[in-house]
Amino acid sequence: GAVVSQHPSWVICKSGTSVKIECRSLDFQATTMFWYRQFPKQSLMLMATSNEGSKATYEQGVEKDKFLINHASLTLSTLTVTSAHPEDSSFYICSARSGSVFRSTQYFGPGTRLTVL
Amino acid sequence: DAKTTQPNSMESNEEEPVHLPCNHSTISGTDYIHWYRQLPSQGPEYVIHGLTSNVNNRMASLAIAEDRKSSTLILHRATLRDAAVYYCILRDEKNTGTASKLTFGTGTRLQVTL
Repeated sequence: GAVVSQHPSWVICKSGTSVKIECRSLDFQATTMFWYRQFPKQSLMLMATSNEGSKATYEQGVEKDKFLINHASLTLSTLTVTSAHPEDSSFYICSARSGSVFRSTQYFGPGTRLTVL
Repeated sequence: DAKTTQPNSMESNEEEPVHLPCNHSTISGTDYIHWYRQLPSQGPEYVIHGLTSNVNNRMASLAIAEDRKSSTLILHRATLRDAAVYYCILRDEKNTGTASKLTFGTGTRLQVTL
């Protein structure tokens, strides 16, 4: 299957700082990328959906000014957690879909574990 | 989004087949049935998907009921590496012009023992 990478795989930061997470589709062009968050022992929660070159669509309850998403190219999307706080500590997972928006497989990255002290 | 219901957990012995059930009684005609699995501390991995007919690939088989209100993921010979949380998800593929999305439920935690 297609490969999606994330960087970094884990990050520890101080409260109040911003953290950027990169998501890349390595062998396909991702017209749509998704960002999920997963707390311990819980399921994945979709945060936002982004299409290349346009603004992201955020799910209800997700603060768009706190979680900045940039989908600048067909192979790269970034999630910036601004002014991070301990409650933002979580496992962040990106996902990408190629080709036609419809009936195409969605591939997931390995995740980034964020710990805010 | 149409919802799915899966058992919280299942156990299997290694080398034996595993049948993971999923109920989706409110499925619509444009919903595809997707299965993903997630190993600990990793992102989900695509397993298989289908619409009406049964599907086979190198990882698993997907058996879909005739009325599409339920489906079963079949692992033909479970190994220790198959221990994971398995998610059954419906994705709406109707032509709305917006990207359809995968909404994860709680899934089934599969334990595989020697």
